[in-house]
Amino acid sequence: GQNIDQPTEMTATEGAIVQINCTYQTSGFNGLFWYQQHAGEAPTFLSYNVLDGLEEKGRFSSFLSRSKGYSYLLLKELQMKDSASYLCAVRDYTNAGKSTFGDGTTLTVKP
Amino acid sequence: DTAVSQTPKYLVTQMGNDKSIKCEQNLGHDTMYWYKQDSKKFLKIMFSYNNKELIINETVPNRFSPKSPDKAHLNLHINSLELGDSAVYFCASREGLGSGANVLTFGAGSRLTVL
Repeated sequence: GQNIDQPTEMTATEGAIVQINCTYQTSGFNGLFWYQQHAGEAPTFLSYNVLDGLEEKGRFSSFLSRSKGYSYLLLKELQMKDSASYLCAVRDYTNAGKSTFGDGTTLTVKP
Repeated sequence: DTAVSQTPKYLVTQMGNDKSIKCEQNLGHDTMYWYKQDSKKFLKIMFSYNNKELIINETVPNRFSPKSPDKAHLNLHINSLELGDSAVYFCASREGLGSGANVLTFGAGSRLTVL
């Protein structure tokens, strides 16, 4: 099975940097995804990691360490619109490529 | 054009009723999913179909029955609705079975309220 942990809530200030951590345990790791979900909306894809290291996409970066079962999402130059829930999802090749989601981290950006 | 569309967007019904939610994707994806997101925002997978074949069936009450008439459609029928079924149900699709950076594309969600 899979066990995915993220902090429940985080608060940060506009213009700052915030790091959202995700730890996981899985028997057949085949990729880690970060999704963003604004209140009342569908999750949307942010980033994907399958090899160790950092993936950068504009203000957002995601890091993966497979040996540690650890990832983080880094958001720079925070904007008010970044207030949302951030979901870490792990794909498992032993179960038809199923993606299991963490419980999400609700980020509140304050002025 | 909406990539993954679900109907209805809102559904309010009484306990014991039977209801269906429909999902269609125009992305040409092979795999479709149903996820349930409860009031605590936990997003849990329920079912997955690949080319009309059921490939993932989580521990879901058998009151829930998915049906995929073709690879572009995945419907969810729920019998004898219970209060605990109240949630937002998201349909999603993905190209292939999940390799590489193939991501999930979600529909807008169907909010079910059971009274």
